[in-house]
Amino acid sequence: DGGITQSPKYLFRKEGQNVTLSCEQNLNHDAMYWYRQDPGQGLRLIYYSQIVNDFQKGDIAEGYSVSREKKESFPLTVTSAQKNPTAFYLCASSDRALNQPQHFGDGTRLSIL
Amino acid sequence: GDSVTQMEGPVTLSEEAFLTINCTYTATGYPSLFWYVQYPGEGLQLLLKATKADDKGSNKGFEATYRKETTSFHLEKGSVQVSDSAVYFCALSEKGAQKLVFGQGTRLTINP
Repeated sequence: DGGITQSPKYLFRKEGQNVTLSCEQNLNHDAMYWYRQDPGQGLRLIYYSQIVNDFQKGDIAEGYSVSREKKESFPLTVTSAQKNPTAFYLCASSDRALNQPQHFGDGTRLSIL
Repeated sequence: GDSVTQMEGPVTLSEEAFLTINCTYTATGYPSLFWYVQYPGEGLQLLLKATKADDKGSNKGFEATYRKETTSFHLEKGSVQVSDSAVYFCALSEKGAQKLVFGQGTRLTINP
């Protein structure tokens, strides 16, 4: 079955450490996205990529970094510069055609020890 | 910039009640509109969509109509079930863009 796989489901980080969240899709989608979700709030866009080797900052990119070396993969690194990293992180992908819906993974919950 | 406003939750209903979750938007141009649903501990699933004015999206008994004159896309269901308990998000996608702008979400709880 085609879909988006995020791993791990739960992740713990010590203060001052970088941590990388994995996102893989087998939907053959060109575009991929990372969102952050905080309790009782909507989703906020961190980074997005419309094609391999290209990505753009979203609304809250500070303290995060991404890469897009392969079409299937869009890992997100939460750096030590991100002061409040505890959140639920969601990865999504979509076809490049206009107005296509985004398909979401099941998320990674990041907590600080 | 573009924005989406949803009715504040939480919303609690009894099984078989009628559901309305209000959603209004502000956008330049004519965006596509979406409703997503999120079950506990999971990602978002597309529930329905509409791409132009007066379009009606429908799925699993849920409906929403794209109203340009009132800039609204309210979600409705005639008879809710316990299994409909989830968080519902309204979102828009600008014409010519792939980014989604989400509302804050509305938590729905259905009691038996």
